[in-house]
Amino acid sequence: DSGVTQTPKHLITATGQRVTLRCSPRSGDLSVYWYQQSLDQGLQFLIQYYNGEERAKGNILERFSAQQFPDLHSELNLSSLELGDSALYFCASSVDVSARNSPLHFGNGTRLTVT
Amino acid sequence: GESVGLHLPTLSVQEGDNSIINCAYSNSASDYFIWYKQESGKGPQFIIDIRSNMDKRQGQRVTVLLNKTVKHLSLQIAATQPGDSAVYFCAENRANNAGNMLTFGGGTRLMVKP
Repeated sequence: DSGVTQTPKHLITATGQRVTLRCSPRSGDLSVYWYQQSLDQGLQFLIQYYNGEERAKGNILERFSAQQFPDLHSELNLSSLELGDSALYFCASSVDVSARNSPLHFGNGTRLTVT
Repeated sequence: GESVGLHLPTLSVQEGDNSIINCAYSNSASDYFIWYKQESGKGPQFIIDIRSNMDKRQGQRVTVLLNKTVKHLSLQIAATQPGDSAVYFCAENRANNAGNMLTFGGGTRLMVKP
């Protein structure tokens, strides 16, 4: 168990809808990362927050947004969902602001299915 | 349920044999590398890491080798067990960005035959 908690485990929704994925980092970790894992593209970095502030952005769509709250949990919001958004969404956390200084620890993901 | 793509390279080994999983990286500025193991239905699990000032690092039954000359990383698993069956990813952190993200390779599926 990595200590990173993600809810829900599974989510099925229709195109055009909006969903919120939740992540609680390991105790003591200030950085939260979101990754998307689809069948044909592997793990793609979306966005990182450190202590409540956005620190880095990857290939995150404008329809997607995230935030990190004062208690350090994070939410990833996906709106105007399309079939191609179906994927596993992982949250990871680490102690440091830089992924160079400490490894990322991943949750078990949320499987999103858009129908 | 399945966790990763359909077109992964696959390494099949006999239980008890040693496994070697390879990874090539392209950015010579990368200075930190991590191997992750992903079992079906789970998130990537940290195995071992190595910095670019080293060429070898050992853990429990695992060894990571780094060859910066040819930009190659390998993970060796000794006495492979059925529980080692999973998809293995290498990830790199590049020195010329803010250092805030890892870039993952495509993964290799390891299948251990009893």
